[in-house]
Amino acid sequence: LAKTTQPISMDSYEGQEVNITCSHNNIATNDYITWYQQFPSQGPRFIIQGYKTKVTNEVASLFIPADRKSSTLSLPRVSLSDTAVYYCLVGDWGTGRRALTFGSGTRLQVQP
Amino acid sequence: DVKVTQSSRYLVKRTGEKVFLECVQDMDHENMFWYRQDPGLGLRLIYFSYDVKMKEKGDIPEGYSVSREKKERFSLILESASTNQTSMYLCASSLSSGSVDEQYFGPGTRLTVT
Repeated sequence: LAKTTQPISMDSYEGQEVNITCSHNNIATNDYITWYQQFPSQGPRFIIQGYKTKVTNEVASLFIPADRKSSTLSLPRVSLSDTAVYYCLVGDWGTGRRALTFGSGTRLQVQP
Repeated sequence: DVKVTQSSRYLVKRTGEKVFLECVQDMDHENMFWYRQDPGLGLRLIYFSYDVKMKEKGDIPEGYSVSREKKERFSLILESASTNQTSMYLCASSLSSGSVDEQYFGPGTRLTVT
């Protein structure tokens, strides 16, 4: 199984760009990388998913280098409401192999 | 919107009791999951199910069992609760397209075993 490592916490200010990196050195060929956001007293919520290079949606971008041993979630111009815990998930769900590994989470605190 | 509901938000049980945590999803998803969440450890997969009556162990299945008799319902069972099973339990579901689909999580059940 891929082991994932994330920073425990990060601080930022409103309006700044925040980059959170997840290391997954032994990622398997068919593994995807997914990021989730979790607010207190709620279950995690999907943000973005990718396999390689760059993926962008309306809330975030995900950068994955060619070797895929790490990934970076980028949140543009954060606001107070982005204060949450962010988890990376590495895994595969094909036939014959089902494996999912969450990181331990990065607590992002956004200050005014 | 997909909705995943869990039977209780908070539960207090005594050591040795049998505990049932229920999860229901309303979107006809094939896959269902049970995680436990502990500070500093993130989410750890206990069991998952990819079809009715089908189940597979996750990373930490010891002390737990599961049941999936209907597609929409996935139960986690603690046969004899112990204090080290005090935790937040999260249920999730996902569609099955042969790849890693988005998981939809319930709000969680905070279980305390005394």
